[in-house]
Amino acid sequence: QLQLQESGPGLVKPSETLSLTCTVSGDSITSSPYYWAWIRQPPGKGLEWIGNFYYTGRTYYNSSLKSRVTISVDTSKNQFSLRLTSVTDADTAVYYCARVLLGSGLDSWGQGALVTVSS
Amino acid sequence: DIVMTQTPLSSPVTLGQPASISCRSSQGLGHSDGNTYLNWLQQRPGQPPRLLIYKISNRFSGVPDRFSGSGAGTDFTLKISRVEAEDVGVYYCTQTTQFPYTFGQGTKLEIK
Repeated sequence: QLQLQESGPGLVKPSETLSLTCTVSGDSITSSPYYWAWIRQPPGKGLEWIGNFYYTGRTYYNSSLKSRVTISVDTSKNQFSLRLTSVTDADTAVYYCARVLLGSGLDSWGQGALVTVSS
Repeated sequence: DIVMTQTPLSSPVTLGQPASISCRSSQGLGHSDGNTYLNWLQQRPGQPPRLLIYKISNRFSGVPDRFSGSGAGTDFTLKISRVEAEDVGVYYCTQTTQFPYTFGQGTKLEIK
């Protein structure tokens, strides 16, 4: 059974870098035809797609974050990571990792990790 | 970016009664491959979102058949034939036809 688990610091200072890792079990992140994604949800608000990546290195980012975001992969650990630089209060959110099947969209989600930006 | 607009934003429903949520996109969601990638997610309180419906009307694995989706072009609907207590939560429409993926504001389903 596929499981995704986010991990990383729950508190980040303004102007610093947010880093999260998603560990995938029950499937390989090199499985075709799946993509893998990050999505976030500010407290009490709606969902925002951050970006997708394919294990070959192809990535797609939301242009609203593009200059600050990097998604990378460690196939040896079956993990992928999110890096968001120069964070502000507006980046406080629950961050989810998810699997993407192009035919069905975001079909499996992690439990989410709350990241608070505060000094 | 494609803007997704849901109505209503809140829907109080009596148990056993039907519920309906509408979603309108700012442009057509037809992909060049002939598919329309309009999906519906359910987020129960304190839980991550869960895929309910993909490509307008296809129920995802394990989704009860009281959930159904319909629509075309820019107008789509999620229907619950008989609401059960476990259906309480927020429902989002989302398009994965075009980057960036975008979501509706969410519709909160609650029991009267």
